[in-house]
Amino acid sequence: DAGITQSPRHKVTETGTPVTLRCHQTENHRYMYWYRQDPGHGLRLIHYSYGVKDTDKGEVSDGYSVSRSKTEDFLLTLESATSSQTSVYFCAISGAGVGEQFFGPGTRLTVL
Amino acid sequence: GQQVMQIPQYQHVQEGEDFTTYCNSSTTLSNIQWYKQRPGGHPVFLIQLVKSGEVKKQKRLTFQFGEAKKNSSLHITATQTTDVGTYFCAGPKGDNQGGKLIFGQGTELSVKP
Repeated sequence: DAGITQSPRHKVTETGTPVTLRCHQTENHRYMYWYRQDPGHGLRLIHYSYGVKDTDKGEVSDGYSVSRSKTEDFLLTLESATSSQTSVYFCAISGAGVGEQFFGPGTRLTVL
Repeated sequence: GQQVMQIPQYQHVQEGEDFTTYCNSSTTLSNIQWYKQRPGGHPVFLIQLVKSGEVKKQKRLTFQFGEAKKNSSLHITATQTTDVGTYFCAGPKGDNQGGKLIFGQGTELSVKP
C-alpha cells in the first residue's frame, strides 16, 4: 500500500464545532484529494491540491476548506460541522495527476 | 452536469456464478478507471482503460471500454467469496485538470458460499 495515513480514524463531534482532518503521505506525490463517501453517492470530490499552497474546489466544497503548507500534508477543515457532514472521508494521492489514485484508510466522522 | 452512472446498485450471487457491472457516462471519456473497495476498507485501483473498444483481463476479471468511450463494464467469471466488495468506475472530470475524477455510485457485490 502507498504511504498514506489519515488522522483521526474516527471522530464524533457536535454540531457547530470546528473539525480538522489530516492526510499525510510519504510518497512525495504532487496531487492530493479529499473525498467524502455516502451511501448511494459513491465518492465525491471535496477539494484537491496540485502542489504546495495550490488548491481548488471539487463538486461538494461548500462548508469545507483545505490547506497544504507541505507536500506531505493536506488538511481538511469543517469550520462549523453540521449533521449533513456525517460521512466517511477519504484522502487520495496521485503522482502524475493522471492515472490511478491511491487512497488512505479513511476517517469516519459523526456529527451529532 | 457531467454524470457517471453504474448499474446495478447491488448484486447478490451464488459462489461460482458470473457477475457484471455496467458504467455509463454522460460525456465521452478519455479513459476510465475501476476500483474495488472491500467492506470497511478503502478503494483500491484495479485498472485503467484508454482506447476505444479496449478489453483487458485480470485473471477472472474482464474490463471493457465502449467504442464511443462513454460506457464500460466489468465482468467477473465464476465469482468467489474474495470478490465481495463494491466496485466503482471513475472517469476524468471536465478537462481532467489536476487529475480530478468523477465516480459512479458503485455496485455492491455479495457472494453466497
